Amino acid sequence: DQQVKQNSPSLSVQEGRISILNCDYTNSMFDYFLWYKKYPAEGPTFLISISSIKDKNEDGRFTVFLNKSAKHLSLHIVPSQPGDSAVYFCAATLISNQFYFGTGTSLTVIP
Amino acid sequence: NAGVTQTPKFRVLKTGQSMTLLCAQDMNHEYMYWYRQDPGMGLRLIHYSVGEGTTAKGEVPDGYNVSRLKKQNFLLGLESAAPSQTSVYFCASSLTSGSSYEQYFGPGTRLTVT
Repeated sequence: DQQVKQNSPSLSVQEGRISILNCDYTNSMFDYFLWYKKYPAEGPTFLISISSIKDKNEDGRFTVFLNKSAKHLSLHIVPSQPGDSAVYFCAATLISNQFYFGTGTSLTVIP
Repeated sequence: NAGVTQTPKFRVLKTGQSMTLLCAQDMNHEYMYWYRQDPGMGLRLIHYSVGEGTTAKGEVPDGYNVSRLKKQNFLLGLESAAPSQTSVYFCASSLTSGSSYEQYFGPGTRLTVT
């Protein structure tokens, strides 16, 4: 059973606007969450992460929010740029050796 | 600094054939991982290693074996390939789980089993 879920397979956003990508998880014991970005024919690259003891982490245009009570995290990209068009995966880890990935959301930023 | 490299990039196998996928990293990372990515399934962990000479099962280990004889290399073996193993395989490495959870991924190997 999928422990990390991304229910939106795709998202389209106008350049300059905010992109919000969502992720839900089922295991309340997860202690760390990560977002990865993937371009076609390449491996995923790390984007941003957040510990379960925090509710927000910001890095430039990227902010990750964690709502533990709802078992929900989101990635905000502001402002969105055409180069942000990629597949975004959220991931969670329990004991830091095993990582559980969502199915990905394909973001298209329209110029 | 090449990061994480994977060999081969593409491969077609017949059912029952065997093969080994090679992952190499030059970042002196302790942890290495093998994932498979299938449509609609995300990335699923096959096996991982927390150091030279050690391996452990992940989420979907059946049909695969691994070895970590050298710190920089992590091999994934398929002894008798099945069509269900058609997938894109990604290798990843990380420094340690205690100080950083960030994983560095290779470019992937696309395997087709007919």
